[in-house]
This record gives sequence, C-alpha cells and structure tokens, in this order.
Amino acid sequence: NAGVMQNPRHLVRRRGQEARLRCSPMKGHSHVYWYRQLPEEGLKFMVYLQKENIIDESGMPKERFSAEFPKEGPSILRIQQVVRGDSAAYFCASSPRQGVGETQYFGPGTRLLVL
Amino acid sequence: QKEVEQDPGPLSVPEGAIVSLNCTYSNSAFQYFMWYRQYSRKGPELLMYTYSSGNKEDGRFTAQVDKSSKYISLFIRDSQPSDSATYLCAMSETTNLIFGKGTKLSVKP
Repeated sequence: NAGVMQNPRHLVRRRGQEARLRCSPMKGHSHVYWYRQLPEEGLKFMVYLQKENIIDESGMPKERFSAEFPKEGPSILRIQQVVRGDSAAYFCASSPRQGVGETQYFGPGTRLLVL
Repeated sequence: QKEVEQDPGPLSVPEGAIVSLNCTYSNSAFQYFMWYRQYSRKGPELLMYTYSSGNKEDGRFTAQVDKSSKYISLFIRDSQPSDSATYLCAMSETTNLIFGKGTKLSVKP
C-alpha cells in the first residue's frame, strides 16, 4: 500500500511566480491536511480538506494561498506571487476518516525555495 | 506562551542509553497526544499515540501523558544510532495537530 505521495520533492521559484504543490493521499484515504515547516520551527497546520470541500482553513494565510482537493486527482496547494518568506517544507498528511484524534500519515514533503 | 513547548536540543547520547524527551502544553482541552519521528529531509513518521492520560509501551518506546501537569514524555530504551532523528510531539483538540518544534537526537556508536 503506497504511502502519501507528494510532488515535486523540491521546487525553486523566483519571487512573484506561482508554486503548485501536489499531494496524493494513501489509498482509501479521503481526508487531506497541509502543514508548513519553516526553518527552525515546528509544523504548522494550514488547511484540512475532504474531496471537493474545504473543512478548515484556519491556518491558511489570508492572501496568495489556496488549496483544493477535487473529486478526481491529487490535492493541490497553490501559492501565488511567492515571496522569500514562503520558503519552507510543505507536508501533506492523510487519514481514512474524519474525526478528532484520527491518525494522520505524512508524505515526504515538498521543499520550496524562493529566490 | 506557546501552546506546545519542546526543547529543541540537540541531545547527544551514547548507544544503549535511555533517552527522555518531553513536551509541555498550555491547552487543557488537548485529548490526543502523539510522538512523531522525522529523519533528515523526510516526512514525520508516527511513533506513539496516546489518548488522555496514562502510559503506553511499544518495544523500546514508552509514552507517558500527565494531563494534570500538562506534560508528556517519550522514553527510548537501549537507544541505537538508527534512533538519531528529530522527535516531534503533537497533540490535538480538534482535527488539527499542534506540534512542538522538535528535539534533535543523536545517538553515538
């Protein structure tokens, strides 16, 4: 059973460009979470999605960031007009069910570098 | 005060030592407590999961939760060089996990 897959693993963008990060959850999982890990910081929750629904986006920056999880295909985290402060590791996690305390399985992350 | 406090280390121990890692937290509503292990340039891997207070043991790993003190611990017995990694505590009240900054552990042969 393949784990959570993320691509690309490394992404370099210049300031002002767009970054698209993809996450394919584990087979049978329909709940996806995105976290950001800034240098020297812990992982911070960004957004929680189910298929075609955003459940909780309380951790998403108000501007430039958006996320989707379409009926078909991977979840996408999109960052428009990237700035140097967006440089971080972005991790996706998935779980099979909704609920407090459900185990979240993490992918290998996408490391974004903004020049 | 941060919601979850964790000493970042680094912590260096000889092979075979008992390692004690811990986190404190401020939100008394947290009910679920986890420890993740993260190797360099990899994603976090779930090690231990505990609901509410108490102890849980799995092989060389023991997790303890003391809700009255808002304090959780992870003990590693007979530590091995392969245990060298960053250990992240995490806890939740809702579906979102709140992480500590992680403690970097190095086990020397």
